[in-house]
Amino acid sequence: QKEVEQNSGPLSVPEGAIASLNCTYSDRGSQSFFWYRQYSGKSPELIMSIYSNGDKEDGRFTAQLNKASQYVSLLIRDSQPSDSATYLCAVNGPHTGGFKTIFGAGTRLFVKA
Amino acid sequence: EAGVTQFPSHSVIEKGQTVTLRCDPISGHDNLYWYRRVMGKEIKFLLHFVKESKQDESGMPNNRFLAERTGGTYSTLKVQPAELEDSGVYFCASSFHGSYGYTFGSGTRLTVV
Repeated sequence: QKEVEQNSGPLSVPEGAIASLNCTYSDRGSQSFFWYRQYSGKSPELIMSIYSNGDKEDGRFTAQLNKASQYVSLLIRDSQPSDSATYLCAVNGPHTGGFKTIFGAGTRLFVKA
Repeated sequence: EAGVTQFPSHSVIEKGQTVTLRCDPISGHDNLYWYRRVMGKEIKFLLHFVKESKQDESGMPNNRFLAERTGGTYSTLKVQPAELEDSGVYFCASSFHGSYGYTFGSGTRLTVV
């Protein structure tokens, strides 16, 4: 079982729609949860972080965390073609010697104009 | 604020040669991480520095990889001797706190032929 699992996609949504990206993780000791956006050929860019159960909103992005279900999601409202990228779910928690962030393989999102 | 700087951006070397990658983290970020992405796979943790100390090197593939962070500033990752399977994109990232999200460098694409 992978530590962080994501559907690889691609997920295709029309412009203006809501894109829903999902992620599950295996380590119940995980404490911090992140979404990174990675454009093709570029480095990952942090777009959302969430640390407690519930929803966290930032502009068109909403991150949702359910620790009991070990589930993290990212909603992108009013999707734009510029949102087309790979979205990486990442989970951070105590490991031997300190903190380590584990990344999922990413979900490719296409927003059709 | 200057970002995380990595160089070279690309490196093509022959099997058996040595390559050294360099990372300059954001000033004031004590935490520095090395990650690697091989084609089609998720970004994998290599190691974590806190200042000049190796906090966690559990992801280093084998003893052909050597990372250093002298003086707690920039870091180098040396691969000696390089093998074909070492090809991939090597990312460096830094953060102020171990449980916060990272700022990634632009990566070094290493190709071993």
